[in-house]
Order: sequence, then structure tokens, then C-alpha cells
Amino acid sequence: NAGVTQTPKFRVLKTGQSMTLLCAQDMNHEYMYWYRQDPGMGLRLIHYSVGEGTTAKGEVPDGYNVSRLKKQNFLLGLESAAPSQTSVYFCASSYSAFGEGQDSYEQYFGPGTRLTVT
Amino acid sequence: GIQVEQSPPDLILQEGANSTLRCNFSDSVNNLQWFHQNPWGQLINLFYIPSGTKQNGRLSATTVATERYSLLYISSSQTTDSGVYFCAVDNYGQNFVFGPGTRLSVLP
Repeated sequence: NAGVTQTPKFRVLKTGQSMTLLCAQDMNHEYMYWYRQDPGMGLRLIHYSVGEGTTAKGEVPDGYNVSRLKKQNFLLGLESAAPSQTSVYFCASSYSAFGEGQDSYEQYFGPGTRLTVT
Repeated sequence: GIQVEQSPPDLILQEGANSTLRCNFSDSVNNLQWFHQNPWGQLINLFYIPSGTKQNGRLSATTVATERYSLLYISSSQTTDSGVYFCAVDNYGQNFVFGPGTRLSVLP
């Protein structure tokens, strides 16, 4: 049981390049999330998904797209990277935000991807 | 949207000391979690505690949902406790909001 994994761990992009970050979870969780963390700050929600085939915008969605083609995977795409997207990206999953039982709301986080855009 | 405040912003302790970190939130919540982000950036779940009290070794947490605050207690602190402690909440809006964090430094 690996929990939540992220690929890659580090990446350097030039302005205008594109890339996709992969998040995978093996806990059969319905909900998945992408966050970014800028230096000295807490995490901010970019996009999330409440199930396979669904996505929704979070607090800071501009410049990112996501897809959830399989329940266990959540992809974050940058079509044209900008220096302002230099950040650490975290993926998370939870069983359900509206599930039964208290512990179903708990979010589990991946190790993060450090992205630098020059 | 929901607002989350944490205090103190920075805390320096001598090894062996006890501390209390506070999280205030502006609305009712159905999810509250405490995390430790270690110096390598890894986020570690400490507690899932939208209400009540939990304990895990030297750490314990209490959330008083009706008064909209949560406390994280660290007893007999160790240098490995250093890092940033985040409180995060959700109020059914599917938007997990993180506080600004408390940076803890435990000196040997």
C-alpha cells in the first residue's frame, strides 16, 4: 500500500513549456486534490475531483488543467509554464468529502513535486 | 470563504519544553486536520480532529467546534519536532483551507 505517490519529484521548465504531473493513489479514494505551496505559505487548492471523470476549480485554478480518467489517477497539466508557477505541488486524496463516518473526510498527501520555471 | 488563523507564527523552544499551538477558524467545519511539515517539505498527518480530543504519544489535540478553535499540544519537545505545523479546515465547501502555519524550532 503506497498511499499517494507523485511523479516527478523535481522538474525544471523554461517559460512556455508544457508538462503534466501525475498523482496516483491506491486507497480507492473517491476525492483527489491538487495544491500548490509557495515559500512561507500554507497550501492552496488548485483543482479537485469528486470522482472518475469529474473535475472542479479550487482557489487558484488559472493556468492549470486537470483530468481524472481513472479513479486512481489525477493529472495536473501546465500548458504554457510561467515563472509564477514555480512552486511545490502536492496531491491529496480522501475517501469522500461527504461520506459516512467521521474519518472519511481525512485527506492524505503525497510527497510533493518541486517545479521551477525559468 | 472560511478564514483560518494560527498562533504563534514562530516558536523557539529548548528541548524538553512543552508548547501549545492554536488554530482559530471563522465558520463551522466538518474537517479539521493538523499537519507537520518537516524541514524536507514532507507533510505528515498528525490528527484528524473536527471535534473532541485525541492523543498520540507526546502529541495531543483538542477541537472545540462550538467556539471555533483547535489546540495542538506538544510535550517534552525534541529536535525532530522542528518544522512548520499547519491547521487546515473544510466546511462542506470542498475547499480545504490551510492556515499560515506555526514555525517551530526546538533547540538541543
